Amino acid sequence: DTGVSQDPRHKITKRGQNVTFRCDPISEHNRLYWYRQTLGQGPEFLTYFQNEAQLEKSRLLSDRFSAERPKGSFSTLEIQRTEQGDSAMYLCASSPLMLGSVYEQYFGPGTRLTVT
Amino acid sequence: QQPVQSPQAVILREGEDAVINCSSSKALYSVHWYRQKHGEAPVFLMILLKGGEQKGHDKISASFNEKKQQSSLYLTASQLSYSGTYFCGTNTNAGKSTFGDGTTLTVKP
Repeated sequence: DTGVSQDPRHKITKRGQNVTFRCDPISEHNRLYWYRQTLGQGPEFLTYFQNEAQLEKSRLLSDRFSAERPKGSFSTLEIQRTEQGDSAMYLCASSPLMLGSVYEQYFGPGTRLTVT
Repeated sequence: QQPVQSPQAVILREGEDAVINCSSSKALYSVHWYRQKHGEAPVFLMILLKGGEQKGHDKISASFNEKKQQSSLYLTASQLSYSGTYFCGTNTNAGKSTFGDGTTLTVKP
């Protein structure tokens, strides 16, 4: 098992452009989470999936953010019309799931977004 | 609501002990702990489910007081490799996790 992978690792974009990030979770992990982290802060929850279903999305997230997990495997996070405030590290994590239980999360290396 | 971690930072000499606390204003289903080194992703340390259990992993252990909605991480005889930022993540159900802002631990020779 190679762990959670994310692509790209770094992205520099101009304000107003759209960006898309990809996350490949550990195979057979049902849960997939997206977080955003800025310097000196903990990971901030964005959204999570159980298989292909998006179960929750942060209320802090504007409509410019969207995520998909079409076949219950990899996931994409898209940010439309990027703003400088979107600059952050975007982390993906996956977790196995037993019904009614919570399991540890395995984080990917992250995608660092810089909006100029 | 985000859990509160204390202290924000601690500096130790090798071999000294440390305690990191995590408090929530909500009833918790579980607490999990991660360590993140600079420029790297958070790495899972341990998870505690409601029931007040205590877990250990080598010289790192943790407790979870469900009634007080608190968890503590204990680092015994710290090593240089323990340096990093420690985050607690809390769940109020089996859904999303909310993370604290971290405690930065520096272990010096």
